[in-house]
Amino acid sequence: GAGVSQTPSNKVTEKGKYVELRCDPISGHTALYWYRQSLGQGPEFLIYFQGTGAADDSGLPNDRFFAVRPEGSVSTLKIQRTERGDSAVYLCASSSRGMSGGAYNEQFFGPGTRLTVL
Amino acid sequence: AQSVTQLGSHVSVSEGALVLLRCNYSSSVPPYLFWYVQYPNQGLQLLLKYTSAATLVKGINGFEAEFKKSETSFHLTKPSAHMSDAAEYFCAVRKGAQKLVFGQGTRLTINP
Repeated sequence: GAGVSQTPSNKVTEKGKYVELRCDPISGHTALYWYRQSLGQGPEFLIYFQGTGAADDSGLPNDRFFAVRPEGSVSTLKIQRTERGDSAVYLCASSSRGMSGGAYNEQFFGPGTRLTVL
Repeated sequence: AQSVTQLGSHVSVSEGALVLLRCNYSSSVPPYLFWYVQYPNQGLQLLLKYTSAATLVKGINGFEAEFKKSETSFHLTKPSAHMSDAAEYFCAVRKGAQKLVFGQGTRLTINP
């Protein structure tokens, strides 16, 4: 079946502009995650959705970053007033439900969106 | 706080040689540990996971990892490297209920 898809695959923008990055999770997955991977680093957690609600947004670096998942499927990561330091690969992952207690539900990752802020 | 440290940002081995990628963890609770692989222009793929059952964990593509509490380590090994193993490898630990905390990654190069 189809995996997690992310669009666009590449996005080049100018400093100060607004961007939206889209994630289509695996069908039926209720949990959705956003991570950011800077050059030479491992992915860093940004936000986690369970259904439509953001259950944990503690990784969002500041209030320029916002994410939504209005119907509990597709999610959009929105970045306002982009800065050069926002340049990174933004990864989305989904799982059948969030990890809780002793259960682990594998997070399936998309190929990412490479954002370049000039 | 849960974290992982990967020793060596680049590892190079010859085809057919042993692969050893090192990961040490820090955790205040029994950890859930993972190894992911990332091929160029592709998403992360789970290789294997440790969730407090057997300490020797076997994964896909012939990889395995051993959880050693006394050494706080979870090193990834493969007896014989293939050219197709060339990729970036990430160790990760579960933090809280939902987050994964990743190491900085190790780029594995296979020499013919």
